[in-house]
Amino acid sequence: SQKIEQNSEALNIQEGKTATLTCNYTNYSPAYLQWYRQDPGRGPVFLLLIRENEKEKRKERLKVTFDTTLKQSLFHITASQPADSATYLCALVSGGYNKLIFGAGTRLAVHP
Amino acid sequence: SQTIHQWPATLVQPVGSPLSLECTVEGTSNPNLYWYRQAAGRGLQLLFYSVGIGQISSEVPQNLSASRPQDRQFILSSKKLLLSDSGFYLCAWSVRRVNYGYTFGSGTRLTVV
Repeated sequence: SQKIEQNSEALNIQEGKTATLTCNYTNYSPAYLQWYRQDPGRGPVFLLLIRENEKEKRKERLKVTFDTTLKQSLFHITASQPADSATYLCALVSGGYNKLIFGAGTRLAVHP
Repeated sequence: SQTIHQWPATLVQPVGSPLSLECTVEGTSNPNLYWYRQAAGRGLQLLFYSVGIGQISSEVPQNLSASRPQDRQFILSSKKLLLSDSGFYLCAWSVRRVNYGYTFGSGTRLTVV
């Protein structure tokens, strides 16, 4: 069955460092992969989308890579700040109608 | 600009009672609409999606149903709630293409007691 895996353990880093989060998937051949940020008690917020023919995508301090051979996406936040603390979700389009399947998310805590 | 409204924000309901959660979208036409549920510490589970008025697709068998009586209105219902229906319910919309992200509502925290 299709599966998306994100590290369930929280990632704790020091302010100013680069945070790297991993998303692995199996039994998918997604054309697109998306990343979202979710704060406690709030709905997820869309951050970035990357296509299968794009190896890397950047937006301000965010960078996403997409390796369809490894079936893996990496999400980087450079010069991290305490305000970046949140849960980050990886999502893949599954089937038609832009249906998204989400990973369970990785919680990031950036410490001053 | 497009906005999505979801209410109520929190709800405590007894087992066996009915449920109605509403979601409306403004500033866009013909959106794809989605209902997700998020259990505590878990990922988002797709419950229903709709690509048009009156068209509902269910992803998992369950105690819930959905309806889309208007283009920008999506309703999640249950006739009799179960304890297992507790969770964080999220409505989302997207344009009708596969290369756009979702916009989520603020969610409804449902506790069935």
